[in-house]
Amino acid sequence: NAGVTQTPKFQVLKTGQSMTLQCAQDMNHEYMSWYRQDPGMGLRLIHYSVGAGITDQGEVPNGYNVSRSTTEDFPLRLLSAAPSQTSVYFCASSYWGGNDNYGYTFGSGTRLTVV
Amino acid sequence: LAKTTQPISMDSYEGQEVNITCSHNNIATNDYITWYQQFPSQGPRFIIQGYKTKVTNEVASLFIPADRKSSTLSLPRVSLSDTAVYYCLVGDESGSARQLTFGSGTQLTVLP
Repeated sequence: NAGVTQTPKFQVLKTGQSMTLQCAQDMNHEYMSWYRQDPGMGLRLIHYSVGAGITDQGEVPNGYNVSRSTTEDFPLRLLSAAPSQTSVYFCASSYWGGNDNYGYTFGSGTRLTVV
Repeated sequence: LAKTTQPISMDSYEGQEVNITCSHNNIATNDYITWYQQFPSQGPRFIIQGYKTKVTNEVASLFIPADRKSSTLSLPRVSLSDTAVYYCLVGDESGSARQLTFGSGTQLTVLP
């Protein structure tokens, strides 16, 4: 039972490069989301999905794209990396449709540096 | 989305009970209160969730007064390994958005 798996764990990009952060969960959770966490700060929601084929923007969506073709996977794409996107990225998932007292399950994060 | 206010930091000693209070004055009727714990270089981990009165599980208790404008996370007999950032979140998980907003959290430091 892997939970939420994020790859890669670390990544260095040059300004202007693009890349995809991978997120996969094996708990059959309908809801998945991406957060970013800057040093000393709380988490900010980038994008989320309530099921396959359905995505929506969170608090800080600019510069990021997402898609949800399967229940298990929710990749985050950086279109043209900028130094301001240097951060730790967390993927989370949960059941949909009510408070189940289990909350979100988070991945271990991807530490991204843009130079 | 309801905004939350928590202390930036707290210190405690091993074996003591720690209470962290969170204010959420504009909590909505359908909102639940959830607490997460985060260790350095790890993702947040769910601790406890409640709607009203008191909820207890194997790691913590959550006290919610009748007006629900605040909540208190209680950690009994803390140890050094409880040093972490604790986040209080308020949101309606049954709503169409299902967005939860993380504030800056409370850095709890447990001293020997």
